[in-house]
Amino acid sequence: EAEVAQSPRYKITEKSQAVAFWCDPISGHATLYWYRQILGQGPELLVQFQDESVVDDSQLPKDRFSAERLKGVDSTLKIQPAELGDSAMYLCASSSPYDRGHRVGLYGYTFGSGTRLTVV
Amino acid sequence: QKEVEQDPGPLSVPEGAIVSLNCTYSNSAFQYFMWYRQYSRKGPELLMYTYSSGNKEDGRFTAQVDKSSKYISLFIRDSQPSDSATYLCAMSVWGGSEKLVFGKGTKLTVNP
Repeated sequence: EAEVAQSPRYKITEKSQAVAFWCDPISGHATLYWYRQILGQGPELLVQFQDESVVDDSQLPKDRFSAERLKGVDSTLKIQPAELGDSAMYLCASSSPYDRGHRVGLYGYTFGSGTRLTVV
Repeated sequence: QKEVEQDPGPLSVPEGAIVSLNCTYSNSAFQYFMWYRQYSRKGPELLMYTYSSGNKEDGRFTAQVDKSSKYISLFIRDSQPSDSATYLCAMSVWGGSEKLVFGKGTKLTVNP
């Protein structure tokens, strides 16, 4: 079964340091999302890409967060400098409304296992 | 007021019990309603997906949507210890940005 790959699984960093997360979506999925999930909360969208273009980054703290998807495939989310409040699970998801020619709608929306970030 | 409200629990039930999980929402533009299951240290996985009012059944799981009351439910019959997880409701206005708006999640424990 196809998966969304994320690395690293866990990251501990000191505040004011830079940190980066990587995501490889399911092959053929044009849409890629980064969500942040604070402990005890539901995921919240940070940024959405359609191919290499940003569709929605309204909730991305742009003074310290950046995201790119240069070739429209894998993506990197960076935080610089990290703050204590950035400790959370960072989830990548990808979607396509079609699977092998069949319309699957939101069934095609798949999350990775996430990167758990701890800022100390 | 958040767009999606979900009682975080925690909820603890004996094996075999019927579990009822609920969410309310305020945005009448939501058209698609999902339930995700999230095990500890894992990403959410899709359980149920509906886009109309009424019931949808899949094995031991039933999703119910009442758009007039802006209320959705997930029922789990004959609950098993393997159902122990956090259950997240999520909603979307498909055709827009496709982002999912999640509830806080309800942590469920099914005791053998």
